[in-house]
Amino acid sequence: DAGVIQSPRHEVTEMGQEVTLRCKPISGHDYLFWYRQTMMRGLELLIYFNNNVPIDDSGMPEDRFSAKMPNASFSTLKIQPSEPRDSAVYFCASRKTRDTEAFFGQGTRLTVV
Amino acid sequence: DQQVKQNSPSLSVQEGRISILNCDYTNSMFDYFLWYKKYPAEGPTFLISISSIKDKNEDGRFTVFLNKSAKHLSLHIVPSQPGDSAVYFCAARGVDMRFGAGTRLTVKP
Repeated sequence: DAGVIQSPRHEVTEMGQEVTLRCKPISGHDYLFWYRQTMMRGLELLIYFNNNVPIDDSGMPEDRFSAKMPNASFSTLKIQPSEPRDSAVYFCASRKTRDTEAFFGQGTRLTVV
Repeated sequence: DQQVKQNSPSLSVQEGRISILNCDYTNSMFDYFLWYKKYPAEGPTFLISISSIKDKNEDGRFTVFLNKSAKHLSLHIVPSQPGDSAVYFCAARGVDMRFGAGTRLTVKP
């Protein structure tokens, strides 16, 4: 298995532009998580899905952030419009069941200038 | 709200000595605790875990201790090796999974 795949690895965009981050979870995993890593807050949970259904999006910082999971093998995290304070590393993780550990992708480093 | 806290942003130890990383949590509903290790430019990788019904779990050089009454857990690495230098994240699992801010461990040769 290739593991959790995120794209792009790096994204540099100008303030105000739309940014879309992509994630392919491990096949057969029912849970998908989006995290944001910052120096101050560490790994901050943004949203998670169970069987493609968003369960808790209370960590999404603002309405500028949205996430979708149209099928079991693909999820997107969109920021529109992007702001410099959104600059961070965004991780996607998946796990098979509630009682198993989560596996992380390599992350997307987003820089908004 | 930070439900999982790692109050030490960094820790430096000598090779061969013990490394102790600490973590506190606030939510009594967490039923499983995990430690992840992260190298630069990589995603976190699972290291070791412990169920809330246990107080200790050991795997080679790594041992995790859980004190439920204090809502505290710790990761012991002994002996520490330079390859252990990384950021360590404590995580707590309930219906979702929450992480602390991480502790950067540096093991000096």
